[in-house]
Amino acid sequence: SQTIHQWPATLVQPVGSPLSLECTVEGTSNPNLYWYRQAAGRGLQLLFYSVGIGQISSEVPQNLSASRPQDRQFILSSKKLLLSDSGFYLCAWSVRGGYDSPLHFGNGTRLTVT
Amino acid sequence: EDQVTQSPEALRLQEGESSSLNCSYTVSGLRGLFWYRQDPGKGPEFLFTLYSAGEEKEKERLKATLTKKESFLHITAPKPEDSATYLCAVLPRAQKLVFGQGTRLTINP
Repeated sequence: SQTIHQWPATLVQPVGSPLSLECTVEGTSNPNLYWYRQAAGRGLQLLFYSVGIGQISSEVPQNLSASRPQDRQFILSSKKLLLSDSGFYLCAWSVRGGYDSPLHFGNGTRLTVT
Repeated sequence: EDQVTQSPEALRLQEGESSSLNCSYTVSGLRGLFWYRQDPGKGPEFLFTLYSAGEEKEKERLKATLTKKESFLHITAPKPEDSATYLCAVLPRAQKLVFGQGTRLTINP
């Protein structure tokens, strides 16, 4: 069966510090990968998605970036965090080519920027 | 613009008291509608996919239905462990998934 791992579960970082969140998927090949942010009362916001190694699409301009160095690894980064980057970050995967297949989410990272 | 609205925002029920959650949508060319359950501090857990009006899916005490304008998540004789936030998401022709704000369901014993 497929599993998705996300870490760390919680993170407290000062303003201006760098960020690296990692996500890995097991049990499937060539998945589509996604980064979402969930803010209280604002629903789920798509940040980045990837259909293959090195292929990243950005949905929202901001000081975050994403990379996919391996087929089942997705990384969310920032060089300098802002207070507004605080939130709940979720990684998800779906079947490649299955445009109507559901997303499967990890358990998220709660990021607090102080 | 593709939109999804869930109602109510929050719902409190007594154990065993059946009810329904609503997901209304306006999208250009529905390709699929998804229901998720989210527990506090966790990622959403996939429940159902519905593709066309008239379709129904069931899982334990949950049943999801779909019309051309809305979907309902019916919960029958709920238990406290059914307490969670339920999210609806629609996939329009543009293939950019649109999530609703969710309904926070609390089942009191």
